[in-house]
Amino acid sequence: AQKITQTQPGMFVQEKEAVTLDCTYDTSDPSYGLFWYKQPSSGEMIFLIYQGSYDQQNATEGRYSLNFQKARKSANLVISASQLGDSAMYFCAMRESGGYNFNKFYFGSGTKLNVKP
Amino acid sequence: DGGITQSPKYLFRKEGQNVTLSCEQNLNHDAMYWYRQDPGQGLRLIYYSQIVNDFQKGDIAEGYSVSREKKESFPLTVTSAQKNPTAFYLCASSTGTGDNQPQHFGDGTRLSIL
Repeated sequence: AQKITQTQPGMFVQEKEAVTLDCTYDTSDPSYGLFWYKQPSSGEMIFLIYQGSYDQQNATEGRYSLNFQKARKSANLVISASQLGDSAMYFCAMRESGGYNFNKFYFGSGTKLNVKP
Repeated sequence: DGGITQSPKYLFRKEGQNVTLSCEQNLNHDAMYWYRQDPGQGLRLIYYSQIVNDFQKGDIAEGYSVSREKKESFPLTVTSAQKNPTAFYLCASSTGTGDNQPQHFGDGTRLSIL
């Protein structure tokens, strides 16, 4: 089974509007971390935001927030007030804490976001 | 500044040739990783290492080899057995502990076949 599922291969959003990128995950480990990365066309991976499985509140970092619904196993990224520079690929990732492979990260297939002027 | 350095940025391989991609980090991270990314696709794990002198195969290890003789270095060799090596290769590192620590990535190496 897929550990991380991103069901939106591509999305469009109008500049200055908010957009939600979906991410669902699959784990039986009670302790895990969820991450979102941005990859511009130049290729570098930029860390955006982190949510821990025991965090009571949704994580926020500037215009980025994470809508964490633990029972649904979803960790959607919300970008508010989209800018042209937000056009990029976005990846959701998970790190499990238990077991021998606790340093292994699992990545989704990504969502390509295009911001329209 | 601390970070991860990948070299070269672009690499060309001839048929039957092995090539080695360099990855060096000065973040004092225990864990290091190699990913392959094909155009428009996600990241696929090739190999990762949690500690010096130890590494594990990822999802697509066939045709690749690695070594981890030093904490700072995790070179990836693309062997002639890898028949379709053209891709973007990303190296990453992370701390050995702490759920909230993300991976840090290098700028990548683009490998093409001549």
